Amino acid sequence: QVQLVQSGAEVKKPGASVKVSCKASGYTFTSYGISWVRQAPGQGLEWMGWISAYNGNTNYAQKLQGRVTMTTDTSTSTAYMELRSLRSDDTAVYYCARVQTTVTTGPLFDYWGQGTLVTVSS
Amino acid sequence: EIVLTQSPGTLSLSPGERATLSCRASQSVSSSYLAWYQQKPGQAPRLLIYGASSRATGIPDRFSGSGSGTDFTLTISRLEPEDFAVYYCQQYGSTFGPGTKVDIK
Repeated sequence: QVQLVQSGAEVKKPGASVKVSCKASGYTFTSYGISWVRQAPGQGLEWMGWISAYNGNTNYAQKLQGRVTMTTDTSTSTAYMELRSLRSDDTAVYYCARVQTTVTTGPLFDYWGQGTLVTVSS
Repeated sequence: EIVLTQSPGTLSLSPGERATLSCRASQSVSSSYLAWYQQKPGQAPRLLIYGASSRATGIPDRFSGSGSGTDFTLTISRLEPEDFAVYYCQQYGSTFGPGTKVDIK
């Protein structure tokens, strides 16, 4: 069965960086993309960006351009999201999601990781 | 950038009642690219509807989606206890709406 298992909770100081991992299993990793979505406490969902596991192409949300980098390691079927220059308002649960794209439906987030809480605090 | 708005912010209903949730886009969205997700407290979101009206695998038929252009609707025909949650619309695998919370009246 398809599973996305994320790394554990992190506590970081303002200005630091965090790198969250998302290990995929149960499907051909390079046949799908991975998107990252975050959710601040009590708030809605914010799309952060997407990476193709096939060729590494990325598309980042404009708001995070320059601070976020998404990568994949196809040898271990793992996706990574690194966020730099952390601020208190980056405190959130970070989710990875498998992205299925078809000609007729566009990108669908059909499987999700369990979420990783990143807390930014001095 | 397309902005999605959802209404109402909160919908208070009883089990067995019908829920109608609205998602409006700031500019026309292809119906193919409009999806709905359900999120329960402490859980990751779950894909409900894609292509504006197609149910994802395993989603019961009391959930239905409709709409085109800038106005889309998610309808839950008869609310079950497990349907009380927050619902988000999303366009083209990127922008999410702010969500509608369906809670128990």
